[in-house]
Formats: sequence, C-alpha cells, structure tokens
Amino acid sequence: DAGITQSPRHKVTETGTPVTLRCHQTENHRYMYWYRQDPGHGLRLIHYSYGVKDTDKGEVSDGYSVSRSKTEDFLLTLESATSSQTSVYFCAIGWAALSTDTQYFGPGTRLTVL
Amino acid sequence: KQEVTQIPAALSVPEGENLVLNCSFTDSAIYNLQWFRQDPGKGLTSLLLIQSSQREQTSGRLNASLDKSSGRSTLYIAASQPGDSATYLCAVSNFGNEKLTFGTGTRLTIIP
Repeated sequence: DAGITQSPRHKVTETGTPVTLRCHQTENHRYMYWYRQDPGHGLRLIHYSYGVKDTDKGEVSDGYSVSRSKTEDFLLTLESATSSQTSVYFCAIGWAALSTDTQYFGPGTRLTVL
Repeated sequence: KQEVTQIPAALSVPEGENLVLNCSFTDSAIYNLQWFRQDPGKGLTSLLLIQSSQREQTSGRLNASLDKSSGRSTLYIAASQPGDSATYLCAVSNFGNEKLTFGTGTRLTIIP
C-alpha cells in the first residue's frame, strides 16, 4: 500500500464546530487531493495541492479550506461544519492528474455532523 | 463538463462466469481513463489505467478497453471469484483539467 494515512478515521461533531482532517504521506508525491464520497454522487474533488503552499479548488470547495505547509501533510478544514458535510472523505496522492501514474487513496475518514 | 456514467449500479453473477462492467463519458477529449476497486469501508485501489492513445490494458483476469470516439470503456473480468465482490469505479481525466471525474460505480457481487 502507498504510505497514506488519514486521521481521524471516524469523527462525530456538531453543527457549527470547526473540524480539521489530516492526510499524511510518506511517498513524497507532489500532488495531494481531498475528495468526498456520497451516495449517488461518486467521488467529488474538494481541493487539491500541487506543492507546498500551492493549492486550488475542486468542484465542491464551498465551506472547505486546505493547507499544505509540508510535502507530507495536507489538511482539510471545515470552518463551521454543517449537516450537508456529513460524508466520507478521502485523501489521495499522485504525481499529477495528467500523467501515466495513478492516484493512491487513503483509507478514508467518516465524518458525521449532527 | 465531463460526466461519467456506470450502468448498472449493481450486478450479481454466479462464481466462474465472465462479466463486463460498463463506463461511459460525455467528453471524448480525455487524457486517460482508470478503473478502481473499492471494498466496503476502504479506500480505492487502482486496477488499470488506459492512456488515450491506447485501446486496452490487461492485468491478470482483468481487461479494460477504451473507445474514445463512442465515449465508452468496459472492464472485463474473466472467471469471476467471490473475492472479486466489490464496487468498481471508473474515472477520467481531461486535458487542461487537473482532476479526475468519477462515475458512481457498479457494486459487483459474485455468488459462490
């Protein structure tokens, strides 16, 4: 398995509270991605990073922010969690979307917002 | 906007049968197409990646084909086994877009 860990693996929180999810890699990949997976929607990209301090929005970025201060860590923050952000969140790493290499996925974080 | 569709959403077949999973996409200007496997409660594992210039890729009992002009890909699984039970997702990348667009997947159950 590619060296990707996500923490926490499960979290239950209340509406309006801030939440930070962490993705950590040991593979030194340049690109890191945050997706959410919801029934009927497949995986949708939230934000991605193409280097330290270099990030960009995906298709469902509203309500989320990210930071990447080190190659190995990519943080996803929900500033004020809402029930619509209840989902399973996956981190992925890769060299680039437009490459011959695939993306490698972490085990996921199940977030429930009450 | 690229859209990826996988039909059927669920499929059950007896062990030992050969089967085909389908993936269609609306924008044929793709860079590559990938097939992933997802086991319950787990992350995705890449199975096969097909570059836009390729027609197919094979790995063991798996064969993926790509027809860009018709916007279709198939994943062929030979001699299915209960361990093949999982959700299979396809995803495409497009030129000028640093992201993958995923289908919603086909949940495959192999009946012993």
